[in-house]
Amino acid sequence: EAQVTQNPRYLITVTGKKLTVTCSQNMNHEYMSWYRQDPGLGLRQIYYSMNVEVTDKGDVPEGYKVSRKEKRNFPLILESPSPNQTSLYFCASSLSIRGTEAFFGQGTRLTVV
Amino acid sequence: GENVEQHPSTLSVQEGDSAVIKCTYSDSASNYFPWYKQELGKRPQLIIDIRSNVGEKKDQRIAVTLNKTAKHFSLHITETQPEDSAVYFCAASTDSWGKLQFGAGTQVVVTP
Repeated sequence: EAQVTQNPRYLITVTGKKLTVTCSQNMNHEYMSWYRQDPGLGLRQIYYSMNVEVTDKGDVPEGYKVSRKEKRNFPLILESPSPNQTSLYFCASSLSIRGTEAFFGQGTRLTVV
Repeated sequence: GENVEQHPSTLSVQEGDSAVIKCTYSDSASNYFPWYKQELGKRPQLIIDIRSNVGEKKDQRIAVTLNKTAKHFSLHITETQPEDSAVYFCAASTDSWGKLQFGAGTQVVVTP
């Protein structure tokens, strides 16, 4: 089954404790991205990747890191999480950057206390 | 960069009535305009999209219209049903930079 898989689904952590949210897709998609969803603000892009080893900042990259060592995986790293990073996070993948459907993962609800 | 504004933020309709959500975009180079539906607790999923060389597209009870001159596009849902209750997001992107810029979302509530 074609899918984007994120882990974990829920995470409560403390300020400053490094964490990684994994994202994996099995559709051989070139384009992957991370979004955060906050009430009233919609989906804001954090980082995106157009292919292996090619990543770039989205609209709200501060406090986040990503890597794309393999085509299928695109982990999101919070080196020193802060409470303002409490949010719902979605990973998404698309066949290419050229106007194709974005497939979203199930979401990760992160709470930083 | 691109800026997408979406209105209204909430929309309450009676079952069977029509719902219209409007979005405006700022970058005239944008050429791809998808709409996503997000049910409560679920992931966003594409319901319809339109490209800049097309003015209107329909799929059963949903349709999207695009006015490139005015830089706005709209989602129309006819004969609304309770299962249409969800948050709807519009988005815009260009081939050159590929980033999907989303609107803030519209909470649609369909009351029986």
